[in-house]
Amino acid sequence: KNQVEQSPQSLIILEGKNCTLQCNYTVSPFSNLRWYKQDTGRGPVSLTIMTFSENTKSNGRYTATLDADTKQSSLHITASQLSDSASYICVVTTKTSYDKVIFGPGTSLSVIP
Amino acid sequence: DAGVTQSPTHLIKTRGQQVTLRCSPKSGHDTVSWYQQALGQGPQFIFQYYEEEERQRGNFPDRFSGHQFPNYSSELNVNALLLGDSALYLCASSRPPESAEAFFGQGTRLTVV
Repeated sequence: KNQVEQSPQSLIILEGKNCTLQCNYTVSPFSNLRWYKQDTGRGPVSLTIMTFSENTKSNGRYTATLDADTKQSSLHITASQLSDSASYICVVTTKTSYDKVIFGPGTSLSVIP
Repeated sequence: DAGVTQSPTHLIKTRGQQVTLRCSPKSGHDTVSWYQQALGQGPQFIFQYYEEEERQRGNFPDRFSGHQFPNYSSELNVNALLLGDSALYLCASSRPPESAEAFFGQGTRLTVV
């Protein structure tokens, strides 16, 4: 069964600290993996996308890694800011005749002063 | 470019009623996907429309139906509303290739009372 799991479910960190969010997937065949940031009550916004051959991708203070062998990805946030408080969702796309997108449940991040 | 727009932003309906949500995709996008996001959870795929036809469908009952118009805009209809249908409904638009980013609207918050 195609599934995406994320950990932790929620996280609270102090402003300025770093954190790492985890994503494990069992999706096959694999096409790409995205990390989205979703502010409360808003639509998700894409942070990074990685295909099978890519193992790291950065977007400012956000760095995503991908290990296609172990089917794991992480999102590392450096020098967190209050505006980083949001849900971070891992999304995996399967490679079929058309895209099939599987969302993870998300990690809720709270950055406190 | 206004991006993906959804209407209305908020909606309150009574149990048993019917509701129609609307989505205009980003310019140049021909594929529209609908998602249901319950509070504190990741989005769940409802269905996807391409070339005015439902191309794939998630695990949702027939009470959920949709339509795509020649201009690629889309509607989501839900009949016989249940309290459990209360959620944020997200529309995402995309276009080939499969690595292209899917852009999300801000969502419609549906409350069933």
